[in-house]
Amino acid sequence: GAGVSQSPSNKVTEKGKDVELRCDPISGHTALYWYRQSLGQGLEFLIYFQGNSAPDKSGLPSDRFSAERTGGSVSTLTIQRTQQEDSAVYLCASSFTGPGEQFFGPGTRLTVL
Amino acid sequence: GIQVEQSPPDLILQEGANSTLRCNFSDSVNNLQWFHQNPWGQLINLFYIPSGTKQNGRLSATTVATERYSLLYISSSQTTDSGVYFCAARTGANNLFFGTGTRLTVIP
Repeated sequence: GAGVSQSPSNKVTEKGKDVELRCDPISGHTALYWYRQSLGQGLEFLIYFQGNSAPDKSGLPSDRFSAERTGGSVSTLTIQRTQQEDSAVYLCASSFTGPGEQFFGPGTRLTVL
Repeated sequence: GIQVEQSPPDLILQEGANSTLRCNFSDSVNNLQWFHQNPWGQLINLFYIPSGTKQNGRLSATTVATERYSLLYISSSQTTDSGVYFCAARTGANNLFFGTGTRLTVIP
C-alpha cells in the first residue's frame, strides 16, 4: 500500500510569510505525528494527533506554529510569520495505533530567506 | 523526556566488513525503532524492537530492555548501506525521542 506522503517536497519562502505543509498518513492509521529535523537540533517532536482526542502540542516551539487534522486523516502544519530559524525538514509520521511502529514520509524541506 | 545516545557518531567501513551500532537510552521503553536515513533524507524503517532480537537479511537488532540498550548489526556491508542510522525510543509519552545518529560510510 501507499506510504505517508507529504507536500510540497520543497518550499522556499520569505521571512514573515505564512506557509502550510501537508501530510497524508497511511490509510487506516489513527495516529499522526509531526517532527522537524534541523542541523542544530536533530530530530525533534512537534505535535501528535490520535483519533478524535485533543492533540498533544507539547513540542510546538512557539505560537506561530499550529496544526490540524481533518476527518482523522490529512493534516496541515501551518507556520505563521516564518523566521530564518524555522528552516528545516518537516517530517510527518503515522502509526496504526498510538504506541505502534511509526512510518515516516519523505519530508518537506523549508527554506526561509 | 528520555535521553537517547548513539555510538559511534561516525563509522567508515570497507565493503564486506561487519559493524555494530549501539543505542543507549535513559529509561524503560515501550517502543524502540531503528531507521536508516538515505541520501535523499527518507527515514527507512529497519526494526521495531522494544525488546528481543530480530533479523532481516544482513541486518539484525537486539534490545536488552532491562539494561537499556539496543544494538544494530550490519554484516557484509555494501556501499548502499551508507547513510545515517537513527535509534528512537519512547517511554509512556506519545512521541519518539531520537538519538543524534551514526553516520556510516562504506567504501568499495
